[in-house]
Amino acid sequence: DIQMTQSPSTLSASVGDRVTITCRASQSISNWLAWYQQKPGKVPKLLIYKTSSLESGVPSRFSGSGFGTQFSLTISSLQPDDFATYYCQQYQSYPITFAGGTKVDIK
Amino acid sequence: EVLLVQSGAEVKKPGESLRISCKASGYTFTDNWIGWVRQKPGKGLEWMGIIYPTDSDTRYGPSFQGQVTISVDKSITTAYLHWGSLKASDTAMYYCVRRGWGDYYDYWGQGTLVTVSS
Repeated sequence: DIQMTQSPSTLSASVGDRVTITCRASQSISNWLAWYQQKPGKVPKLLIYKTSSLESGVPSRFSGSGFGTQFSLTISSLQPDDFATYYCQQYQSYPITFAGGTKVDIK
Repeated sequence: EVLLVQSGAEVKKPGESLRISCKASGYTFTDNWIGWVRQKPGKGLEWMGIIYPTDSDTRYGPSFQGQVTISVDKSITTAYLHWGSLKASDTAMYYCVRRGWGDYYDYWGQGTLVTVSS
């Protein structure tokens, strides 16, 4: 199975900050990576697929990059609505695996 | 509008069986794989498995193989997740998900909370 690891597990930031979350795969997944946002008590929401493709309706302050085993999600200017937990997920091969998540909270 | 509407919360005892459902609408049901994701309280997301409604081709995560059964009824565009014998460790929120053009999940159901307690 492909193991996915995110860092940091928690990130404290302020509104307006540029925030980057990293995601690492235990083996190459090419660009088959997605990112999700989950707010407390809410359903996860797809933000990005295929490493850098923005899902329809997602603000352009979100961007993704990477290839192979190293990936990142960047929020260019953190907004109050962005405080949430973010998960990366590989879909190179079954079983599909998620990383443990990064909680972005208010500094 | 694509919608995945799941059945309501359940409270069961260990050893009981359970089937929860996910009613899909707003798209051609047989065009997209549909799957299930588990989230235990305060924890992350775990992929359980996925099924292709056209032919019921199913894949399971290793932790869930033999523990649950995923099925569909094409006639009513509904997917199911079934347990034959629940354990306390099955207590979690369960989400049904629609696979996009790759194995990422573009639509999620609202979740079904399953509580297993004696």
